[in-house]
Amino acid sequence: GAVVSQHPSRVICKSGTSVKIECRSLDFQATTMFWYRQFPKKSLMLMATSNEGSKATYEQGVEKDKFLINHASLTLSTLTVTSAHPEDSSFYICSARDLAGVINEQFFGPGTRLTVL
Amino acid sequence: AQKITQTQPGMFVQEKEAVTLDCTYDTSDQSYGLFWYKQPSSGEMIFLIYQGSYDEQNATEGRYSLNFQKARKSANLVISASQLGDSAMYFCAMREGQRYGGSQGNLIFGKGTKLSVKP
Repeated sequence: GAVVSQHPSRVICKSGTSVKIECRSLDFQATTMFWYRQFPKKSLMLMATSNEGSKATYEQGVEKDKFLINHASLTLSTLTVTSAHPEDSSFYICSARDLAGVINEQFFGPGTRLTVL
Repeated sequence: AQKITQTQPGMFVQEKEAVTLDCTYDTSDQSYGLFWYKQPSSGEMIFLIYQGSYDEQNATEGRYSLNFQKARKSANLVISASQLGDSAMYFCAMREGQRYGGSQGNLIFGKGTKLSVKP
């Protein structure tokens, strides 16, 4: 099946710093990628939809100035957590749709565990 | 109202037995897709099975089958012959406007069910 990679898999940073997470579709083109956040033992919460070549669409309650999304190419989307604080500590998962797939399946990256000290 | 409801926070099953994980959904769309994902402790989301709203037959993928009851708006996952490696969180998800691309295609997830397989 299609593969989505995320980098880094784990990051620890100091409060006030910015962290960039990369999401790549390795063997298919993704005009749309999605960024989710997951708290421990909770479900995935959609943060934003990343569209190649245009601005991301943020879900209600998600600060666009804090969570910067750039979808620069058909295979790469980045999420930058700016001025991170401990409450931003979470598991961030990206996913991408393979529009050429039979069922428009949505593939997920392995996730990035962010810890803000 | 919740779009996806998984009423079982946790389930136990004996190895080699079958288990059913419940999922009900709420949508006014005629066209939608239903998905089940497995999330082991490593965190990766693993796609298991898909059911389209227009599919007349229940989907099956190996040991996984989806008991789709459209009138009741339920899409239960059945895992046959459970294995220890099946222990994980299981999420039911829905995408509305599937066929006509009415939405941007994001998945709406339920709260998940933690399945534990006992040896």
